[in-house]
Amino acid sequence: DQQVKQNSPSLSVQEGRISILNCDYTNSMFDYFLWYKKYPAEGPTFLISISSIKDKNEDGRFTVFLNKSAKHLSLHIVPSQPGDSAVYFCAASPRGAGSYQLTFGKGTKLSVIP
Amino acid sequence: KAGVTQTPRYLIKTRGQQVTLSCSPISGHRSVSWYQQTPGQGLQFLFEYFSETQRNKGNFPGRFSGRQFSNSRSEMNVSTLELGDSALYLCASSFDRANTGELFFGEGSRLTVL
Repeated sequence: DQQVKQNSPSLSVQEGRISILNCDYTNSMFDYFLWYKKYPAEGPTFLISISSIKDKNEDGRFTVFLNKSAKHLSLHIVPSQPGDSAVYFCAASPRGAGSYQLTFGKGTKLSVIP
Repeated sequence: KAGVTQTPRYLIKTRGQQVTLSCSPISGHRSVSWYQQTPGQGLQFLFEYFSETQRNKGNFPGRFSGRQFSNSRSEMNVSTLELGDSALYLCASSFDRANTGELFFGEGSRLTVL
């Protein structure tokens, strides 16, 4: 039973355009959500997060939107750059559990075409 | 500040053998988590340690075990290796107990079981 789903295994976007990566979750206990980026042969690196008390969080070119009623979040990258080409993982955490057990989606491979 | 260091980076084992992987967290970080990454299942949580205590464990068989030392370094062990254990094993560390989920990942140990 996959609790965090990234239904698009891959996404191609032209440089300068917007990239939108989507993520759905099923566990109502999740209330903290994160996006990680992973380049080949490297570990994932933290990108941006959002708490369930918010519906939007911005950091430079990256914005994460959370729709709790739909159990859906999305990552917007504007403008997209070739260096953004990587695998993006959505992750969720039940706050208050006293641990760092993150549940990850299977990832979306973003290719930004110059 | 040095990042999370995992050793060895690559290793090849045969079925039935056992393997020990090592992780040195970022200095000052007391929480260490382990994740298994496979193409089919994505990133899956193995276990998390804080101050030498296992706080949480994922849904893996007992062949997977770990420990944390007083200096926060951690090891994980897989006994009686199976072909399906071939994966990238990622270690992540974190500093605070606030469960923000911001993990800092190492580059991983790539295990191939023949």
